[in-house]
Amino acid sequence: AQKITQTQPGMFVQEKEAVTLDCTYDTSDQSYGLFWYKQPSSGEMIFLIYQGSYDEQNATEGRYSLNFQKARKSANLVISASQLGDSAMYFCAMSLMNTGFQKLVFGTGTRLLVSP
Amino acid sequence: DGGITQSPKYLFRKEGQNVTLSCEQNLNHDAMYWYRQDPGQGLRLIYYSQIVNDFQKGDIAEGYSVSREKKESFPLTVTSAQKNPTAFYLCASSARGGPTDTQYFGPGTRLTVL
Repeated sequence: AQKITQTQPGMFVQEKEAVTLDCTYDTSDQSYGLFWYKQPSSGEMIFLIYQGSYDEQNATEGRYSLNFQKARKSANLVISASQLGDSAMYFCAMSLMNTGFQKLVFGTGTRLLVSP
Repeated sequence: DGGITQSPKYLFRKEGQNVTLSCEQNLNHDAMYWYRQDPGQGLRLIYYSQIVNDFQKGDIAEGYSVSREKKESFPLTVTSAQKNPTAFYLCASSARGGPTDTQYFGPGTRLTVL
């Protein structure tokens, strides 16, 4: 069965520093997609970044980058130059591409706290 | 502005009552989804719909029902058969429901059973 594992329940980082949030996944499919979402205390899920399993380059979106290591089945999120507004829950999710319809499987999340 | 709206933000229900959560989108998306989130957990899929008048059960559909009569709307009814309905409910949509599509989420409804 497809599964996403986020082993860090909480992470602390100082403002302006970089932080890596871990995500490992388990699937026997060759074709899949990986997403990261941010959930502030308001509750809304905000899309951050996407990586396809066949993408050769790591995805980047502004201060967010995805460190994709296919052989290790990991898709870690790197946030550079942390800001106070980055304090939130972060969720890794996987979508399957062989079903013809997107189904997302989510991890349990990592709570990031950015201190001044 | 385009987006997804959910109402109400907070909802209280007595045991044995059915309640309906609203989800509306003006993104012209074909696909819509309902998720449930419990404290300390990720999201779990309840129902999804790829086109009007068609929807499919997700992983935890028991005790829930949906309808998709309009492209813009995907209401979720939490029935009395749902044994533990207290949770945070999130609605999402994507362009076509394709595997690489990004899902965009609404602000959520927090349901509490009294």
